[in-house]
Amino acid sequence: GAGVSQSPRYKVAKRGQDVALRCDPISGHVSLFWYQQALGQGPEFLTYFQNEAQLDKSGLPSDRFFAERPEGSVSTLKIQRTQQEDSAVYLCASSLDGGGAETQYFGPGTRLLVL
Amino acid sequence: AQKVTQAQTEISVVEKEDVTLDCVYETRDTTYYLFWYKQPPSGELVFLIRRNSFDEQNEISGRYSWNFQKSTSSFNFTITASQVVDSAVYFCALSEADSNYQLIWGAGTKLIIKP
Repeated sequence: GAGVSQSPRYKVAKRGQDVALRCDPISGHVSLFWYQQALGQGPEFLTYFQNEAQLDKSGLPSDRFFAERPEGSVSTLKIQRTQQEDSAVYLCASSLDGGGAETQYFGPGTRLLVL
Repeated sequence: AQKVTQAQTEISVVEKEDVTLDCVYETRDTTYYLFWYKQPPSGELVFLIRRNSFDEQNEISGRYSWNFQKSTSSFNFTITASQVVDSAVYFCALSEADSNYQLIWGAGTKLIIKP
């Protein structure tokens, strides 16, 4: 079956531009997570959805970051007025269980470069 | 305070050698899960193993084995007879109910297998 897919795979943005990153989870997976991975570091949690409900957004670094999953499937991470420090790989993961305790399966990531 | 510690930043061995990657974790939850993921140069995080806190049995999968010891809060990963294809960054991660099961990551260990 298809895994988690993300688009675009690469994005170059000028400082101040808005960007939208898309995640298609594994079909039927209830939980969806977004992580940010800076170069040479481990991923860091951004936000968590259970179906369409955003249950935890404690990791979003500023109010410029916004995520949604309106129909409980595809999710979009939006970054407004991008800054150079937003340059990173943005990873999406999904898991079967609604409680989030199951294994998270990751997409290939979107590599964002802000110039 | 760091919850997942991978003290080895980089390990380099010659092919066919055995190698152990260390992971030490910290949690107050009685129910938690531990994971290992592999991140090859392509960038995609590949799931290797998930253990829950109630199952301390060691696990072997082919050349891979994992040693979970609650007494020392460690979850170490051993590759036997390493191969060049094992070269990657390996991450240990923790998920706990108190944190909505978001993955809390170590900094990763870069493993280099030389032919």
